[in-house]
Amino acid sequence: GENVEQHPSTLSVQEGDSAVIKCTYSDSASNYFPWYKQELGKGPQLIIDIRSNVGEKKDQRIAVTLNKTAKHFSLHITETQPEDSAVYFCAASKGDSSYKLIFGSGTRLLVRP
Amino acid sequence: DVKVTQSSRYLVKRTGEKVFLECVQDMDHENMFWYRQDPGLGLRLIYFSYDVKMKEKGDIPEGYSVSREKKERFSLILESASTNQTSMYLCASSSWATGRTYFGPGTRLLVL
Repeated sequence: GENVEQHPSTLSVQEGDSAVIKCTYSDSASNYFPWYKQELGKGPQLIIDIRSNVGEKKDQRIAVTLNKTAKHFSLHITETQPEDSAVYFCAASKGDSSYKLIFGSGTRLLVRP
Repeated sequence: DVKVTQSSRYLVKRTGEKVFLECVQDMDHENMFWYRQDPGLGLRLIYFSYDVKMKEKGDIPEGYSVSREKKERFSLILESASTNQTSMYLCASSSWATGRTYFGPGTRLLVL
């Protein structure tokens, strides 16, 4: 079955710097890759997603890149702000109608003011 | 906005009790999911449902059952709660069309 590995497990950056979180997946049939942000005491919130027919997608300060050949995808946050501090999860899915997601283990991002 | 609501934010139950966790979504989504989240173990899929009255086991179904009698409602049942079921339980829903999955706020369950 699918396995998703996520690195690093913790990341501390200075406000204004960029943050990059990387994930690898094992099943080449996976074709849908969302990212979630989870703040303390809340459920995960979908922040951006990418499908395998696209190599990069951007939404304001966040972007996601996908390398299908290497089975890597990454989340890039530019001009980080303290409110970006949270746990971020990547996930992968085969994109059949159930869209069952397999999650990475999470990255705790701390943005220091 | 998509809204997924869960019946309780916090629950405290005794070992052996039957526990019901309820989830409702308002976006007419076909798929609904129950995950549990534990420190160091991430999010693990317990059960999911792709249609009314349909259910499939996820990765950790043991000790749980589910019910989906209406499209908008998906219930997770712990037939006889045990201390190792103390966890954060997250409900989610998605549509067949986009696959975008939205989560509820979670229920933190403590089994004593």
